Amino acid sequence: DGGITQSPKYLFRKEGQNVTLSCEQNLNHDAMYWYRQDPGQGLRLIYYSQIVNDFQKGDIAEGYSVSREKKESFPLTVTSAQKNPTAFYLCASSIREADQPQHFGDGTRLSIL
Amino acid sequence: GENVEQHPSTLSVQEGDSAVIKCTYSDSASNYFPWYKQELGKRPQLIIDIRSNVGEKKDQRIAVTLNKTAKHFSLHITETQPEDSAVYFCAASNSDSWGKLQFGAGTQVVVTP
Repeated sequence: DGGITQSPKYLFRKEGQNVTLSCEQNLNHDAMYWYRQDPGQGLRLIYYSQIVNDFQKGDIAEGYSVSREKKESFPLTVTSAQKNPTAFYLCASSIREADQPQHFGDGTRLSIL
Repeated sequence: GENVEQHPSTLSVQEGDSAVIKCTYSDSASNYFPWYKQELGKRPQLIIDIRSNVGEKKDQRIAVTLNKTAKHFSLHITETQPEDSAVYFCAASNSDSWGKLQFGAGTQVVVTP
């Protein structure tokens, strides 16, 4: 969707380095999500936020951190504690209601140098 | 928590034939079931969704059926075309999760001319 922008498209991380993936949306959605996708696999939830200044761990939060200081923005930091960060990272947003679809950004592909 | 299982993991069909993908869910409170299509390296895109107050929904060549008693739902694609080749994901959520989706592992559909 044009309303969700992820940057950069490709990112390389050195050993011991933290990197931050950007996700911005102009859909006025309250809820935002971060997923990790490994080759040939499904979507695994890292973190999600249902409202500004609040977020919860998903299924695979270890080695990642997030912030939600603005409604439009939900950056994801991949820390040096994440030993296998190579993956495709997808950000999504939705209306904060029970039966509404999530809309995805174009993703960021993270690789280890 | 919710668990969604998806079958088959790969599906090869001849152009013009039908394709059927099945998902089962564990949480009887789940009430929203979207389907996403993801082309290689691209974002997942919503193709159809169904809510628990409806048993079937159709959109041109795509239909979804829901059996709440058996806790399963299926995606049907008729008259398949090469551009239907992609990975398809099912998902489920309930009113307590406020938009948080549990995804199936995905089905790789290959349509051969």
